[in-house]
Amino acid sequence: KAGVTQTPRYLIKTRGQQVTLSCSPISGHRSVSWYQQTPGQGLQFLFEYFSETQRNKGNFPGRFSGRQFSNSRSEMNVSTLELGDSALYLCASSLAGQGHNEQFFGPGTRLTVL
Amino acid sequence: AQSVAQPEDQVNVAEGNPLTVKCTYSVSGNPYLFWYVQYPNRGLQFLLKYITGDNLVKGSYGFEAEFNKSQTSFHLKKPSALVSDSALYFCAVNYGNMLTFGGGTRLMVKP
Repeated sequence: KAGVTQTPRYLIKTRGQQVTLSCSPISGHRSVSWYQQTPGQGLQFLFEYFSETQRNKGNFPGRFSGRQFSNSRSEMNVSTLELGDSALYLCASSLAGQGHNEQFFGPGTRLTVL
Repeated sequence: AQSVAQPEDQVNVAEGNPLTVKCTYSVSGNPYLFWYVQYPNRGLQFLLKYITGDNLVKGSYGFEAEFNKSQTSFHLKKPSALVSDSALYFCAVNYGNMLTFGGGTRLMVKP
């Protein structure tokens, strides 16, 4: 099976712009989660989608949003970019979205905000 | 609220020696615990998990982890380290299908 794929792998944006990141989960996986990784804050949970519904949300401002499509593919959007949004954004998928299921991560999208 | 602590930012070990990467956790109820490894410019790779049962869990690449409920610890171990094990290791607890990660421990294995 193909792994989790994320596009694009690298992005450079300027402050105030918006960005959309894409994630394709492993075939058959219905849960998709997003994480932000920065040197200062480490790995932080953004949100989780299951069957096109947001099930969980981390402690991030409303500028961060996401959605999931019927084929389980997911997108996340960040509006009005700030310098602090520069990070590696990781997408992860799991089979049934239950706590004991391991999550499989994509390679990430590195976002740089200038 | 759940939390995970990895008390060591970096662990240095010589190739062929045993290694331990420490992790302690705090969570309500029974924990689902995970170890992941991250290589440069890559996503996280799943190593192993503890759900229930035997306290010694075996995972990928010869790694194992010992769950200790009384000490709320889940230390990662390997009997004989390889240079290729050098990477960033994360311990995580899954609560409500949200992973909470420790700060990470950089493992350096020297030839």
